[in-house]
Amino acid sequence: DAGVIQSPRHEVTEMGQEVTLRCKPISGHDYLFWYRQTMMRGLELLIYFNNNVPIDDSGMPEDRFSAKMPNASFSTLKIQPSEPRDSAVYFCASSFGVHVNEQFFGPGTRLTVL
Amino acid sequence: GNSVTQMEGPVTLSEEAFLTINCTYTATGYPSLFWYVQYPGEGLQLLLKATKADDKGSNKGFEATYRKETTSFHLEKGSVQVSDSAVYFCALAQGGSEKLVFGKGMKLTVNP
Repeated sequence: DAGVIQSPRHEVTEMGQEVTLRCKPISGHDYLFWYRQTMMRGLELLIYFNNNVPIDDSGMPEDRFSAKMPNASFSTLKIQPSEPRDSAVYFCASSFGVHVNEQFFGPGTRLTVL
Repeated sequence: GNSVTQMEGPVTLSEEAFLTINCTYTATGYPSLFWYVQYPGEGLQLLLKATKADDKGSNKGFEATYRKETTSFHLEKGSVQVSDSAVYFCALAQGGSEKLVFGKGMKLTVNP
């Protein structure tokens, strides 16, 4: 059974470029979370969805960040324009129903903005 | 607000040593408590959980007991293995909340 799938695994881009990170949650899961992990700040929740609807985006750093979930099997996190301080590992996680806090994490996308 | 405090790392142990990773929390009401583990190059995965006071979560030889009187959820293992080398995160979820609050994580290295 496939886990959470993220792509790309690594992304290197230049400041000012648009970056799109992709996530496929576990089939049947109705919650999807986007996190950012850095040495300085640890693990931060950026945004989460329930049944494809954004519930809480209070962790999104600024207007340069946006996230969508057009259907139950796909979500994107976009950064436009990217900045060096966006360099981090971005994780997608999914979970189901009453077990919302038992989250399954993808392998992450390591983003480097030069 | 809700928060989780973990002991600072990194920690290096020899194989078969006893492990304790301290975790204390601040929350209103009765949160659920979790330990997640992140192996090198991977995402986090749930290790164990406890949902009410005095509950003990256990998995893969790890244990943690929900202590309301000390607001703690310390992780223990009697004999660590090299394969336990990872970063360990304590986390809480306020009752009914869909959001996890994570500690900063503690890196454990186990040497043969």
